[in-house]
Amino acid sequence: QITLKESGPTLVKPTQTLTLTCTFSGFSLSTSGVGVGWIRQSPGKALEWLTHIYWNDDKRYSPSLRSRLTITKDTSKNQVVLTMTNMDPVDTATYYCAHLTPGTFDYWGQGTLVAVSS
Amino acid sequence: DIQMTQSPSTLSASVGDRVTITCRASQSVSSWLAWYQQKPGKAPQLLIYQASTLKDGVPSRFSGSGSGTEFTLTISSLQPDDFATYYCQQYNSYPYTFGQGTKLEIK
Repeated sequence: QITLKESGPTLVKPTQTLTLTCTFSGFSLSTSGVGVGWIRQSPGKALEWLTHIYWNDDKRYSPSLRSRLTITKDTSKNQVVLTMTNMDPVDTATYYCAHLTPGTFDYWGQGTLVAVSS
Repeated sequence: DIQMTQSPSTLSASVGDRVTITCRASQSVSSWLAWYQQKPGKAPQLLIYQASTLKDGVPSRFSGSGSGTEFTLTISSLQPDDFATYYCQQYNSYPYTFGQGTKLEIK
């Protein structure tokens, strides 16, 4: 059974760096073809793909956020970490991590709401 | 970036109705298209991938079709559990992009 769970702060101040951790079970990020991605959803808005990382450490980023995002994996801990620098109130959203089989997000975490406010 | 446009944005229907949601891509995505269902306060759930392949466990009343730039999600007979928001997503090229969503409401 594949499960994922996001953890991190619920409130950050403008200009701060956000660090979110996705802890998963039921699969290994050392298995060929497997990846983990991050997707966010601003309140009442559509889904926005941010980044993902594959078993072979192949990483992809949204071009509009590329300069602010970093994704890393710790295979031994079954974790993927997302960092986003220079947070702004427009980054207020629910952040999801999801299991990725090439291209599609077939299992999702419950999401974590992050508010950006001073 | 490939823009994904869904229509309609909102759809009112009744239990038992057959409904169709359309997703159009600004350029060809071949068959690299997925559909998701999202209920309020919950994470999206994958329904269909590669335009027409149902994920294991998804009821057969859901079906997907299309290729290139035009795709449809059809629910053959609406059930109460189906009232939700539906999103399409292309994974033909980076950045992956989602449609704006179609909210399926009870008439």
